[in-house]
Amino acid sequence: SAVISQKPSRDICQRGTSLTIQCQVDSQVTMMFWYRQQPGQSLTLIATANQGSEATYESGFVIDKFPISRPNLTFSTLTVSNMSPEDSSIYLCSVDTWASGYNEQFFGPGTRLTVL
Amino acid sequence: DQQVKQNSPSLSVQEGRISILNCDYTNSMFDYFLWYKKYPAEGPTFLISISSIKDKNEDGRFTVFLNKSAKHLSLHIVPSQPGDSAVYFCAASLASGTYKYIFGTGTRLKVLA
Repeated sequence: SAVISQKPSRDICQRGTSLTIQCQVDSQVTMMFWYRQQPGQSLTLIATANQGSEATYESGFVIDKFPISRPNLTFSTLTVSNMSPEDSSIYLCSVDTWASGYNEQFFGPGTRLTVL
Repeated sequence: DQQVKQNSPSLSVQEGRISILNCDYTNSMFDYFLWYKKYPAEGPTFLISISSIKDKNEDGRFTVFLNKSAKHLSLHIVPSQPGDSAVYFCAASLASGTYKYIFGTGTRLKVLA
């Protein structure tokens, strides 16, 4: 298993500003993932963050808007840049592990972002 | 296009009875499926998974059924307990180990005492 913490847990921001969300894992993992859950929507994968390489972004998400850092095997940050009210969401990081013959993704508690 | 669908946004069940949560998918290439439970202010927690080589997987009170021909899976909780009240997400991937999961929109289960 993996224990994941995120900072901040929530924030209210003004449009046009940027917010950096931190994700800390209690063990070393190769791949970390960032998801977004907009109100009433499903969890949508933003990008996959590998240590030592550029993040891989999903369709509809770009590095300029959501820059990601992965400085080591236990930590990652996601920045939401030049925010607008449409960015109001819960942002979650997760890690993937292999145990007992199947994959399991562990999620952090999420960061609830409100953009005014 | 929503590839994984949970058509019931909410469900209420009496304590002790069976809860059945449904999930449909459109991509026939999906062959690994998971269920997650999410409490408010917490991240989703893995419950149970199933691969396409099975049609049923059981873990305690939780059983997942997969009908590949119908592209349908369901989660059964028996007996339901008030602590099961949460939002349940199904997710699908192309195979165990591909890491990329497509999530449904969730079903809010309320178990009434």
